[in-house]
Amino acid sequence: DGGITQSPKYLFRKEGQNVTLSCEQNLNHDAMYWYRQDPGQGLRLIYYSQIVNDFQKGDIAEGYSVSREKKESFPLTVTSAQKNPTAFYLCASKQGPTEAFFGQGTRLTVV
Amino acid sequence: QKEVEQNSGPLSVPEGAIASLNCTYSDRGSQSFFWYRQYSGKSPELIMFIYSNGDKEDGRFTAQLNKASQYVSLLIRDSQPSDSATYLCAVRLGNFNKFYFGSGTKLNVKP
Repeated sequence: DGGITQSPKYLFRKEGQNVTLSCEQNLNHDAMYWYRQDPGQGLRLIYYSQIVNDFQKGDIAEGYSVSREKKESFPLTVTSAQKNPTAFYLCASKQGPTEAFFGQGTRLTVV
Repeated sequence: QKEVEQNSGPLSVPEGAIASLNCTYSDRGSQSFFWYRQYSGKSPELIMFIYSNGDKEDGRFTAQLNKASQYVSLLIRDSQPSDSATYLCAVRLGNFNKFYFGSGTKLNVKP
C-alpha cells in the first residue's frame, strides 16, 4: 500500500540527547514536511523539502536538523539545542497543488 | 500576523444542526486551501480541498472560498457526534510548497 510511515510511534529522550525521527514515503512525492504539534495547538512547520538534496527552514527550525538524501526519506533530528522537545511530530508529503498526506506521527517525550 | 487564523472554539452544536467553521489567511498569493479533521492523538485526515472562488460540495460538507476577502469556510450539515474533532484549515502559499496550518477549531456535536 502507498503511504507514509513514521517511526517510532513513541520515543523517549533523555536531557542532552539527540534523537532521530524517521519518515519514509512510497507515494513518489517530491515535497515532504515536518510539523510539530503541542497539546491543544495547531501544526507548526519545522522544515520542508521540495526536492532531493534541498530543504528549507520553517517557522520553528531552531534545535532541529533534517536531511533529504533520498526522495523517499526525510528524517528529523531533534538536537540537544531544542529545549522543549516534548510534542507530537507529524511528517507529511505532497505532490504539486494536491493535498498533503500524513504519517501516523511520533510522540516524543523528554524524561 | 499568522499565516492562517482560526477560532480555537470549542464550537458546540446539537446533533442534526449545521456547523460553520471559518478560516482567514494573510497571503494573497495563496492558491490551494484544505480542510483537515483531526481526532485526539491521531494524524490529520483530509476532508476537502478548494482552489477556486465559490462553493464546493461533497456529501454533508461544503467548502466556501472568497479570495477577495481571504476567507475560507467549512459547513457541515446534519452534524453527527462522530464529527466531534478538531478541524484544521491549511493553505498552500503561492508558487512555493510551503503548506501552513491554522491552530484548529474544536467542534463538539452534542447528541
